[in-house]
Amino acid sequence: QLQLQESGPGLVKPSETLSLTCTVSGGSISSSSYYWGWIRQPPGKGLEWIGSIYYSGSTYYNPSLKSRVTISVDTSKNQFSLKLSSVTAADTAVYYCARRGLGPPDAFDIWGQGTMVTVSS
Amino acid sequence: SYVLTQPPSVSVAPGKTARITCGGNNIGSKSVHWYQQKPGQAPVLVIYYDSDRPSGIPERFSGSNSGNTATLTISRVEAGDEADYYCQVWDSSSDFWVFGGGTKLTVL
Repeated sequence: QLQLQESGPGLVKPSETLSLTCTVSGGSISSSSYYWGWIRQPPGKGLEWIGSIYYSGSTYYNPSLKSRVTISVDTSKNQFSLKLSSVTAADTAVYYCARRGLGPPDAFDIWGQGTMVTVSS
Repeated sequence: SYVLTQPPSVSVAPGKTARITCGGNNIGSKSVHWYQQKPGQAPVLVIYYDSDRPSGIPERFSGSNSGNTATLTISRVEAGDEADYYCQVWDSSSDFWVFGGGTKLTVL
């Protein structure tokens, strides 16, 4: 059964770069049938899509975050990663990685458990 | 950018039917997905393509989409259905995924 697991620092200083990795187990990230995405949720608030990547490296990002976001993939490690630069307190959130199918359901059908990242000095 | 509007909260008695709406300009022309999120847990997909259910999701969960409103319907509501529910669509004009603000379902 496919599982996703986020990892990375739980505390990041303002103006620095947030870096997270999502490890995929029980399946291959190189499948042509899926995109892999990052979604975040500030405490007590709703979900916000950050961006997604295909195993080939093709990416697309939320326009509101695009200038600060980089998502990359490492197929040899079955991982994909998120970098968010110049963070502020507004970037404090639970960060989720998730899988999206290229056909039905064409939605984020498998999610990681999420990891809390706090931006504070 | 495209905006999805959900009521902040919906309350329903056990055994009754809950309807959670998701409003958007001509949302009926888009495919809507719905997620359930319980406290401290990751979201779970409960409806995709407006009205399809992933395997393992009870038949009590159904969806519809027409005009400017999509609706998630939960029949015979149980205490375990208490959660936040989010709608989601693809905004093709800006090329990004949009989520509604979420609706907290309270089972009385």
